[in-house]
Amino acid sequence: KAGVTQTPRYLIKTRGQQVTLSCSPISGHRSVSWYQQTPGQGLQFLFEYFSETQRNKGNFPGRFSGRQFSNSRSEMNVSTLELGDSALYLCASSLMGYTGELFFGEGSRLTVL
Amino acid sequence: AQTVTQSQPEMSVQEAETVTLSCTYDTSESDYYLFWYKQPPSRQMILVIRQEAYKQQNATENRFSVNFQKAAKSFSLKISDSQLGDAAMYFCAYRSDYGGSQGNLIFGKGTKLSVKP
Repeated sequence: KAGVTQTPRYLIKTRGQQVTLSCSPISGHRSVSWYQQTPGQGLQFLFEYFSETQRNKGNFPGRFSGRQFSNSRSEMNVSTLELGDSALYLCASSLMGYTGELFFGEGSRLTVL
Repeated sequence: AQTVTQSQPEMSVQEAETVTLSCTYDTSESDYYLFWYKQPPSRQMILVIRQEAYKQQNATENRFSVNFQKAAKSFSLKISDSQLGDAAMYFCAYRSDYGGSQGNLIFGKGTKLSVKP
């Protein structure tokens, strides 16, 4: 069974640009969550989607947005990039249920210059 | 708001020895889940062990076990017979059992574990 796939793995952008990151969950998983990981702030929850609906959102500015498609694939978008947006963006998928185990992808490393 | 604290930024253990990683959390909720995740240098995080707050028995997964002290809000991870492959960042995480959101985990800052041969 294929794991969570994130693309691209690495990307470099300049301030003011926008970026779109993609996440394909494990087959059968309908819940997708996104996290930002930085050395200073650690892992911070961005948002969670289930069946194309945003279920929960973390404390991030409106420049950060996401969506989920009918095949459960998800994208997140960051507009008007700032230097502080440089981070590893992790996607995780899960089956809905009490166990709640998250399966993480390897992440997309974003560098903003 | 809930918080998770890992007070040991780095730990080191000799191969085959035992090491304990500490985690404390703060919450006013009575129902929740606690997790330990491992992030090797390749970056893909994997679940090591989970604990449901309503269960008094400490969770165990092979060489990994936890000491869950609900009243003290403490959730430590014990790794027995440490192996070189255990070297990684370990994150303690909390998940509320309210609100229907299972993807929203609150993570500690992590403990970097080194294993010496």
